[in-house]
Amino acid sequence: KNEVEQSPQNLTAQEGEFITINCSYSVGISALHWLQQHPGGGIVSLFMLSSGKKKHGRLIATINIQEKHSSLHITASHPRDSAVYICAVGGGSQGNLIFGKGTKLSVKP
Amino acid sequence: KAGVTQTPRYLIKTRGQQVTLSCSPISGHRSVSWYQQTPGQGLQFLFEYFSETQRNKGNFPGRFSGRQFSNSRSEMNVSTLELGDSALYLCASSLAMPNTEAFFGQGTRLTVV
Repeated sequence: KNEVEQSPQNLTAQEGEFITINCSYSVGISALHWLQQHPGGGIVSLFMLSSGKKKHGRLIATINIQEKHSSLHITASHPRDSAVYICAVGGGSQGNLIFGKGTKLSVKP
Repeated sequence: KAGVTQTPRYLIKTRGQQVTLSCSPISGHRSVSWYQQTPGQGLQFLFEYFSETQRNKGNFPGRFSGRQFSNSRSEMNVSTLELGDSALYLCASSLAMPNTEAFFGQGTRLTVV
């Protein structure tokens, strides 16, 4: 079993829909990262969370430390949100991240 | 401020050769970590350097090595290349990975033929 599980693996939505991507992890962590990767490879950091909730524009990320679960929400989705969204966790002073397999999102106009 | 710069962007090498990839982090960031991304395995951690010291190493063979210089620039080296080393190699810079935001470079796409 992977230490970081994401669901769904693939997601197709219509423009304007509310989208939720889930991430569950089985290891102790000090931080959880949500990343976005567009075709071509570049990765952009969306959020870094250690507790609670963060919001940036149409994106909201939440984390429940007790349940070892995080969600990434996209409100009013747009075709430019089409990308792979990756959840990654890190623990304490160990400077590495453990990654989920990613969720491929396609938003149709 | 300038982002994370990786060079070269693309590289084609022959089996058995060696390769060196470079990563220049954001100014002031002392943590540089390296990752390998393949379609089958996804993103996997290679190693992380902080202030010239390797703090952690992933589960890769000894052919994969790295170093960090006093200006925080980092290099990774892969010796005796194998076909399976073909991948996108990404580096990330951070003030204090994993507890601060990570900034990724565009990656180096290595093809081994």
